Amino acid sequence: NAGVTQTPKFRVLKTGQSMTLLCAQDMNHEYMYWYRQDPGMGLRLIHYSVGEGTTAKGEVPDGYNVSRLKKQNFLLGLESAAPSQTSVYFCASMPPGAATWRAFFGQGTRLTVV
Amino acid sequence: AQSVSQHNHHVILSEAASLELGCNYSYGGTVNLFWYVQYPGQHLQLLLKYFSGDPLVKGIKGFEAEFIKSKFSFNLRKPSVQWSDTAEYFCAVNMGADGLTFGKGTHLIIQP
Repeated sequence: NAGVTQTPKFRVLKTGQSMTLLCAQDMNHEYMYWYRQDPGMGLRLIHYSVGEGTTAKGEVPDGYNVSRLKKQNFLLGLESAAPSQTSVYFCASMPPGAATWRAFFGQGTRLTVV
Repeated sequence: AQSVSQHNHHVILSEAASLELGCNYSYGGTVNLFWYVQYPGQHLQLLLKYFSGDPLVKGIKGFEAEFIKSKFSFNLRKPSVQWSDTAEYFCAVNMGADGLTFGKGTHLIIQP
């Protein structure tokens, strides 16, 4: 039982390059999230999805796009990377139903934009 | 929109000292409350959560938290900390499908 898996774990990009981060969960969760973690800022929500084929903006969506073509996968794309996007990115998934709400997190992707 | 405030950004304690980390949230309705811990180089792990019922909740590793609705608070406590508790601690709230709102975190250092 892998839980939430993020690919890749580390990446260095040059300014202007594009890339896609993959988040995969095997728990059949409806809800999936992408956060970025920066020192002194906590975790901030980039985008989220409440089901296959749906996405919504979070607190800091600019410069990112997402897709949820399959229920188990949630992709985060950087169209044209900027140094301000240097961060650690965490994916999370959550089952529906108020009684069981808790988020399961992936191991994180450390991205450096030079 | 809800917000979460963690009062202490850095806390340094000696082993066996008691710990209390403050957390306040801004939303007046029904919320679900969480404390997560992140050990160095690792992902977030759930310490404990409150949904309803007994406002004193017990989590893993000897941690507990008390929900005080009138104060909009959910403070984390541990009676005697260990060196292995060195980590970053995040308070978070959730009202629905739009995810968790996190505080900025408290970096806890336990000195042997």
